[in-house]
Amino acid sequence: DAGITQSPRHKVTETGTPVTLRCHQTENHRYMYWYRQDPGHGLRLIHYSYGVKDTDKGEVSDGYSVSRSKTEDFLLTLESATSSQTSVYFCAISDMGGDTEAFFGQGTRLTVV
Amino acid sequence: SQQGEEDPQALSIQEGENATMNCSYKTSINNLQWYRQNSGRGLVHLILIRSNEREKHSGRLRVTLDTSKKSSSLLITASRAADTASYFCATPPLIQGAQKLVFGQGTRLTINP
Repeated sequence: DAGITQSPRHKVTETGTPVTLRCHQTENHRYMYWYRQDPGHGLRLIHYSYGVKDTDKGEVSDGYSVSRSKTEDFLLTLESATSSQTSVYFCAISDMGGDTEAFFGQGTRLTVV
Repeated sequence: SQQGEEDPQALSIQEGENATMNCSYKTSINNLQWYRQNSGRGLVHLILIRSNEREKHSGRLRVTLDTSKKSSSLLITASRAADTASYFCATPPLIQGAQKLVFGQGTRLTINP
C-alpha cells in the first residue's frame, strides 16, 4: 500500500467546535487532495494542494480550510463544525495531479452532533 | 455540478456474467481513470486511459473512451463475488491543467453467487 495515513480514523465532535483532520504521506508526492463522501453524492473534492503552501478550492470548499506547510502533511480544518459536515473524509495523493493514478487513505469518519 | 457521472447507479448480476458501467463527462480531458471502492475502504486505482487511446485492457477489465461523445465504459468480464464494490470514474478537467481529480457518484456493483 502507498504510504498514506489519515488521522484520526473516527471522530465525534459537537456542533460549533473546530476539528482538524490530518493526512500524512511518505511518498513525496506533489499533489494531495481532500474529499468527502456522502450517500448519493459520490466523492466531492473539498480542497487540493499542488505543492507546499499551494492550495486551491474544490467543489465543496465552504466551511473548510486547509494547510500544507510541508510536503508530507495536508491538514483539513473545519473551523466551526456543523451537522452537515458529518461525512467520511478521504485524503488522496498523486505524483502528477490528475495525469497519474492517485492513492487513497483509509478514510476518517466524522460525526458532528 | 459534477464533471463525471456514472451509469447505472446500481447494477446486480450473476457471478460469471459480464458487467458494464458507463461514465459521461462534460469538459475536455487528457485522461480518464477508473477506481474501485470496497465497502468502508479507500478507492483503489484500476486503469487509466489517455485521450488519444480508444480502448485499453487490464486482466478482466476493458475500458473504452469516446472523446467525441465524452463517454467511457468499463467492462468486467467473467465477474466474481470479489468484484462486488462501487466503481468510480475520475475525469481531470483539462481546462484546469488536469490538476483536479474529480469523481462521479459511482456505480454500485453487486455480484450474486
